Amino acid sequence: GAVVSQHPSWVICKSGTSVKIECRSLDFQATTMFWYRQFPKQSLMLMATSNEGSKATYEQGVEKDKFLINHASLTLSTLTVTSAHPEDSSFYICSAVPTPVGGWSPLHFGNGTRLTVT
Amino acid sequence: GENVEQHPSTLSVQEGDSAVIKCTYSDSASNYFPWYKQELGKRPQLIIDIRSNVGEKKDQRIAVTLNKTAKHFSLHITETQPEDSAVYFCAASITKLTFGTGTQLKVEL
Repeated sequence: GAVVSQHPSWVICKSGTSVKIECRSLDFQATTMFWYRQFPKQSLMLMATSNEGSKATYEQGVEKDKFLINHASLTLSTLTVTSAHPEDSSFYICSAVPTPVGGWSPLHFGNGTRLTVT
Repeated sequence: GENVEQHPSTLSVQEGDSAVIKCTYSDSASNYFPWYKQELGKRPQLIIDIRSNVGEKKDQRIAVTLNKTAKHFSLHITETQPEDSAVYFCAASITKLTFGTGTQLKVEL
C-alpha cells in the first residue's frame, strides 16, 4: 500500500517553456504532499508543501510564481515549472503522507521526474 | 528552521564489516527520524525510522539509535553486502522532513 505515482519520469524541454509534473497517491488520500528538488550528488531540498484546497507553502528562496503548485484533490498535486531555464534542470520528487501531518508518518515518495532544460 | 548534519559524506567498507552513519539535528522539537536509501536515479526508500520516545530500534541488519539529549542519531548496518551500496540520507521532522546531506556507502568485495 501507500503508492505514490509521479509523471512524467523524465522530460526534456526548451528554455522558456513550461512543464507540468503530476503526483498522485494511488491507494490513499493525502491532504498534504511535499515537493522536493535534488541536484546531482546533493540532498533533497524541500521546495514547498502542497495542501489540498489551499495555497501551497513555499520554502525560503523558492519562487512561488515560477513553481506553481496545485493540489485540487486529495489524490493529486501538480507542480508546474514556468518559463524553465537550464538552471532548473534537476530531479523533482514528490511525496505524500497517508495521515494528517504530525511528524509521525513516513513519507512515501514518487519515482521522481528528471527535468532537462535545453 | 531545522538543520540536519550528516557524517561521513563517503564511507567505504569491506563486505561483512559494519557501517555507521551519524546525524545531528538542531531543533529539539523534532520527533521523527527516518533513514532513506537512494540508489542512483531512483526514489529514496525508507529503510528504518525511529520516534522520539524510543532510544533504539533494530530491523535485521539495520539499527538506529537516538540520543535526544545530545540531539544526534545514528544508523548501523551490520554484515554489509554489496547491495547495501547506495546513498543514505537521515532526516528529522516535526511537521516536515529536513534531510541530511547524504552518505555515499560503498561496500567492497
